[in-house]
Amino acid sequence: GPKVLQIPSHQIIDMGQMVTLNCDPVSNHLYFYWYKQILGQQMEFLVNFYNGKVMEKSKLFKDQFSVERPDGSYFTLKIQPTALEDSAVYFCASSLGGGAETLYFGSGTRLTVL
Amino acid sequence: QQQVRQSPQSLTVWEGETAILNCSYENSAFDYFPWYQQFPGEGPALLISILSVSDKKEDGRFTIFFNKREKKLSLHIADSQPGDSATYFCAASAYNQGKLIFGQGTKLSIKP
Repeated sequence: GPKVLQIPSHQIIDMGQMVTLNCDPVSNHLYFYWYKQILGQQMEFLVNFYNGKVMEKSKLFKDQFSVERPDGSYFTLKIQPTALEDSAVYFCASSLGGGAETLYFGSGTRLTVL
Repeated sequence: QQQVRQSPQSLTVWEGETAILNCSYENSAFDYFPWYQQFPGEGPALLISILSVSDKKEDGRFTIFFNKREKKLSLHIADSQPGDSATYFCAASAYNQGKLIFGQGTKLSIKP
């Protein structure tokens, strides 16, 4: 089936540093998402993105977070500066449409902030 | 505020039995309900989904029962297999929004 690739799979950084998580979505998909998961528990919506713009963001999407997809390349989540509570697994997803469409998830990036 | 709730948090059944996973929601605007299956170290993958215009959806051993009036749905996994051991997430969205709201998940273990 369609694959979403996330790079890197693991990232360890010191608190206060900047980190960029990269996502290569399914090639013809138009909608992109980031979710946060802690300890294999609930998937928490962070943000969705369409046509070069943020459509909606949750309370978890702090001011230190930003997303972009320059020139149709990677869809990125940048955190600057990082905090201890940002430690989690971050999942990228993409979908063809914005309604009742299947979201395809990557395998996640495990971020550890020390 | 937990918009989508799942129960139980964990469930163990014997191989061959039917596993029943429950989900409820609060927002009446939700009309699309997918169930995602997640194995350790992987991202969630769509298992089966239902729209609120239906009360039942079957796909092989997997069946969703949906009760719009009570805002409840359940996933039945018939003839459970050890390979079904995973965490199952109920999710919901309004039709015109791509954002999925996930429940807390049910960790299912199948005993051989």
